[in-house]
Amino acid sequence: GAVVSQHPSRVICKSGTSVKIECRSLDFQATTMFWYRQFPKKSLMLMATSNEGSKATYEQGVEKDKFLINHASLTLSTLTVTSAHPEDSSFYICSAGDRGSETQYFGPGTRLLVL
Amino acid sequence: GENVEQHPSTLSVQEGDSAVIKCTYSDSASNYFPWYKQELGKGPQLIIDIRSNVGEKKDQRIAVTLNKTAKHFSLHITETQPEDSAVYFCAASPNTGNQFYFGTGTSLTVIP
Repeated sequence: GAVVSQHPSRVICKSGTSVKIECRSLDFQATTMFWYRQFPKKSLMLMATSNEGSKATYEQGVEKDKFLINHASLTLSTLTVTSAHPEDSSFYICSAGDRGSETQYFGPGTRLLVL
Repeated sequence: GENVEQHPSTLSVQEGDSAVIKCTYSDSASNYFPWYKQELGKGPQLIIDIRSNVGEKKDQRIAVTLNKTAKHFSLHITETQPEDSAVYFCAASPNTGNQFYFGTGTSLTVIP
């Protein structure tokens, strides 16, 4: 199957700093990537849809100024958590699908801990 | 919008027994139904999927069935092994490139 990578896998930062998470499709091009947040023992919560070359579409309740998404190429989307606070600590996962395919492949996730 | 329900939330089976996880969906426009396995601290991995023009699909010990009329689909794992222990998520999607609507997950434990 297709491979999606995320970097970093784990990050610890101080409150008030910004953290950037990268999501890459390694062997296919993705016009759309999705960003999810997952709390312990919970399902995946869609945060936003990242569209290559255009603005991301955010789900209701997700602050676009806090969670900045950039999808500058067909293989890379980035999520920046700005001015992070302890409540932003979570597991962030991206997914991507090859153009024309319904199948979505998930990255390995990024564990963010804000102190 | 689409609403996907998943049952049970937890499931324990003896090694070698079968496990069945069921999901229902609400939007008749949904036509793609993947199943993901998520191990602790990792991203979900696609294990099998089914499209609405197919009633059943099998891949070795894993099978998925779909009943479009009743709007439900199920994951069947036979001859379970301890390494099958994980959280399983079902999902439904109405169109290519659209978001997935996930079930709430089933934590499967296979007891050796």
